[in-house]
Amino acid sequence: EVRLVESGGGLIQPGGSLRLSCVASDFTVSSYYMSWVRQAPGKGLEWVSVIHGGGSTFYADSVKGRFFISRDNSKNTVYLQLNSLRAEDTALYYCARDGSGRSFQHWGQGTLVTVSS
Amino acid sequence: DIQMTQSPSTLSASVGDRITITCRASQSVNSWLAWYQQKPGKAPKHLIYKASSLESGVPSRFSGSGSGTEFTLTISSLQPDDFATYYCQQYNNYPWTFGQGTKVEIK
Repeated sequence: EVRLVESGGGLIQPGGSLRLSCVASDFTVSSYYMSWVRQAPGKGLEWVSVIHGGGSTFYADSVKGRFFISRDNSKNTVYLQLNSLRAEDTALYYCARDGSGRSFQHWGQGTLVTVSS
Repeated sequence: DIQMTQSPSTLSASVGDRITITCRASQSVNSWLAWYQQKPGKAPKHLIYKASSLESGVPSRFSGSGSGTEFTLTISSLQPDDFATYYCQQYNNYPWTFGQGTKVEIK
C-alpha cells in the first residue's frame, strides 16, 4: 500500500529555516512526480513544488528562491527546504504523489509549519 | 498563472439531490483537470483526473466533464458521506493551481 509520511514541521521564527521530509513506502520516489501542497489554517489548497522523476523541479511563485525540493533515492524520501520563512508560510504541508494522470493520487497526512515570533 | 474559479463557493443540498459544481480556468487547460474531496482534519482525496476519469474506488455517482476552460463535477445522488469541500486543480501549466473550493453543506 502506498504510504507517505511527512515530518519536520514545527514552530519557527520569521526568517528562519526548516526542512520537511516525506518518507515513501511501497513505491520508488524517483519513478513519480512528487509534490508538496500546503493549506493555511482555514484556507484552500496551494501547490508549492514538484520534482519530476528525471529530477526537474518547479515552484509556485510565492516560494520561488526560498524553498527547494530534493530527494534522496537511497532513503526513498523527498525533502522541502524552507528558507526565509514568513508568517504567510504558516500552513499544513502535504506530500503528494501523482497517478496515471499526473494529478495528486496519493497524499500524506501533512506536517504543520507555524511561523511566528 | 492560470486562475481557477469555482462556483458556487457554498452549496446547500439534501441527501438524494443531484448537484453540480463548476470550475472555470482563465485559459485553456485542455483536459488536465482534477477534482478532490476534503473533509475537516483530513488530507484531500483524489476523485477525478483528466477531467472525466474516475479514480479507482470512487463511487460512480461522481462524474466529471468538460475541457478547455469550463469543467463540472456532478454528484448524481448526494449521500451523507459526500458533505465536504471540493477542489478543482489544473496541471496543464506550471504553476499548478487550485480553485478556491466549494463547500457542500447539509440543507
